[in-house]
Amino acid sequence: QVQLQESGPGLVKPSETLSLTCTVSGGSMSSYYWSWIRQPPGKGLEWIGYIDYSGSTSYNPSLKSRVTISADTSKNHFSLKLSSVTAADTAVYYCARLGAVVLSNWCDPWGQGTLVTVSS
Amino acid sequence: EIVMTQSPVTLSVSPGERATLSCRASQSVRSHLAWYQQKPGQAPRLLMYGAATRATGIPARFSGSGSGTEFTLTISSLQSEDFAVYYCQQYNNWPPLTFGGGTKVEI
Repeated sequence: QVQLQESGPGLVKPSETLSLTCTVSGGSMSSYYWSWIRQPPGKGLEWIGYIDYSGSTSYNPSLKSRVTISADTSKNHFSLKLSSVTAADTAVYYCARLGAVVLSNWCDPWGQGTLVTVSS
Repeated sequence: EIVMTQSPVTLSVSPGERATLSCRASQSVRSHLAWYQQKPGQAPRLLMYGAATRATGIPARFSGSGSGTEFTLTISSLQSEDFAVYYCQQYNNWPPLTFGGGTKVEI
């Protein structure tokens, strides 16, 4: 079955760019959307955005000006960049597969998540 | 943006009892609602989609109902492994996908 694994630095300085990668194993990246979701410590879930197999993207308007999601389908991975980070961006970042068929847009499966702390 | 509101924030239940969790949408999402379970230190796991369809491997004690703006997740007889935080998510009108704030089911 498909498995996802996040990787990247656990500590980022304020005003710098957060960069994470999600590696997809056990299946192809075609026919789905590939999404990033975050969860500040002790809080709820916030959808960040997705990329599809063709490279089309969609972002949460609240983060759109700072977010870039890209993919390398030959390597079966996709990436998140979040610029100009502040302490408010401290969170566990999850990658997840998102259904691409209209009105099948639930997240399954999820990666285990990676904690990113923004601090000097 | 559709706002999802879950209640109660915390639900205290004894093992073997029934738990009823609510999720309300700020506007109709028809039946395009998913539920997730999250245990401490773990990623969320898909429980339900289409408001009432159990995901693969989810026990029959979990059931979902509702449409429009009012939804319910019921756990018929709580097992020890069911104590967790539960989130709803709408996918009727997006971006953005939006989640509720969660309900913690505790002993």
